[in-house]
Amino acid sequence: GESVGLHLPTLSVQEGDNSIINCAYSNSASDYFIWYKQESGKGPQFIIDIRSNMDKRQGQRVTVLLNKTVKHLSLQIAATQPGDSAVYFCAESPYNQGGKLIFGQGTELSVKP
Amino acid sequence: EPEVTQTPSHQVTQMGQEVILRCVPISNHLYFYWYRQILGQKVEFLVSFYNNEISEKSEIFDDQFSVERPDGSNFTLKIRSTKLEDSAMYFCASSEETSTEAFFGQGTRLTVV
Repeated sequence: GESVGLHLPTLSVQEGDNSIINCAYSNSASDYFIWYKQESGKGPQFIIDIRSNMDKRQGQRVTVLLNKTVKHLSLQIAATQPGDSAVYFCAESPYNQGGKLIFGQGTELSVKP
Repeated sequence: EPEVTQTPSHQVTQMGQEVILRCVPISNHLYFYWYRQILGQKVEFLVSFYNNEISEKSEIFDDQFSVERPDGSNFTLKIRSTKLEDSAMYFCASSEETSTEAFFGQGTRLTVV
């Protein structure tokens, strides 16, 4: 069935290090992917997105990589800061399904000062 | 910065009662969504809404659920007869188009007792 899953439920990094959060998706029909950050008690907050016709997109301190061959998505955070501590979700949007997002399980990122 | 607003932030209701969760999407957005998140779990799609009709819904969105856009600004989710398992955070989201960034509200925590 449709699912988006994450390889690691928790990730702990030292402040200043780079973080890599991985995600596997299963729906080949998905043409749009988003990474969201969720802090405790808040709604998901957009970080970065990528369309299926791209394999890499960079933002401020963040990079998303998309490998359609193996249905893999990753989020790289450069120079991780304590404020980056949160749960990170990847989400996929299957083509022509009303814009719905299928979320992964989430990875909890903990940044040690 | 425009944002999606949801009210109330917390709703406690007795099993079997009807609840209405309210959302004000971003004003120029055309696509509206409801998601839910059971404590500690991933965000789950419920329904998407466009042009005054449901464009996609999940298996969770059964006959007990309904959505409405009663006027030009509000978007509501109604649960007719709440069950204990309906207890969750409910997030409203909106986007300009499909396959574009969906902005999420801060959520309504629904507790069914």
